[in-house]
Amino acid sequence: GENVEQHPSTLSVQEGDSAVIKCTYSDSASNYFPWYKQELGKGPQLIIDIRSNVGEKKDQRIAVTLNKTAKHFSLHITETQPEDSAVYFCAAILNGGTYKYIFGTGTRLKVLA
Amino acid sequence: DAGITQSPRHKVTETGTPVTLRCHQTENHRYMYWYRQDPGHGLRLIHYSYGVKDTDKGEVSDGYSVSRSKTEDFLLTLESATSSQTSVYFCAISERTGGSQPQHFGDGTRLSIL
Repeated sequence: GENVEQHPSTLSVQEGDSAVIKCTYSDSASNYFPWYKQELGKGPQLIIDIRSNVGEKKDQRIAVTLNKTAKHFSLHITETQPEDSAVYFCAAILNGGTYKYIFGTGTRLKVLA
Repeated sequence: DAGITQSPRHKVTETGTPVTLRCHQTENHRYMYWYRQDPGHGLRLIHYSYGVKDTDKGEVSDGYSVSRSKTEDFLLTLESATSSQTSVYFCAISERTGGSQPQHFGDGTRLSIL
């Protein structure tokens, strides 16, 4: 079946450094890719998303890039801060616009002060 | 934050008992979803609703049923709970389906079945 692979599963960076999380999707018809941040005891919170007609999107220290040919998309966090420590999930819409998201298995990011 | 309330937030129960989880939204969104979250699996869709009394199955629907009698409430029922249903359950809502609207999540219900 369709799936989304996410790497790495854990990532530790020094405060101020950049962090990159990568996802690969299998459904070539996928056209929407959200990223969620989940803090302990909370639900996932949408932090940024990208649609397939765009190659890159930025929001302050966060950016997402999309390579449709390779079916890759990545989350970039610059100037990391301790409050960026959380679990991050990528997702892809199946079949170009149905109700179904397929989620990656998550990346636990630790920002070391 | 999207107005989504899940209840209860924590529950411990025994195998074979019925369990109902509630999701309540104040956003008047049409679409509502139930997911379960387990280590190594991310979030997996159990059931979803595209309107009052309109529901359909997700990828892990066996052992679960849902009901939606009002726009604001979406109930998830485990008719006879099993230990494999121990998980964290999340409700999500979206205004529209498809690529134009993201899903927004509640804070989850941690369910333990002994």
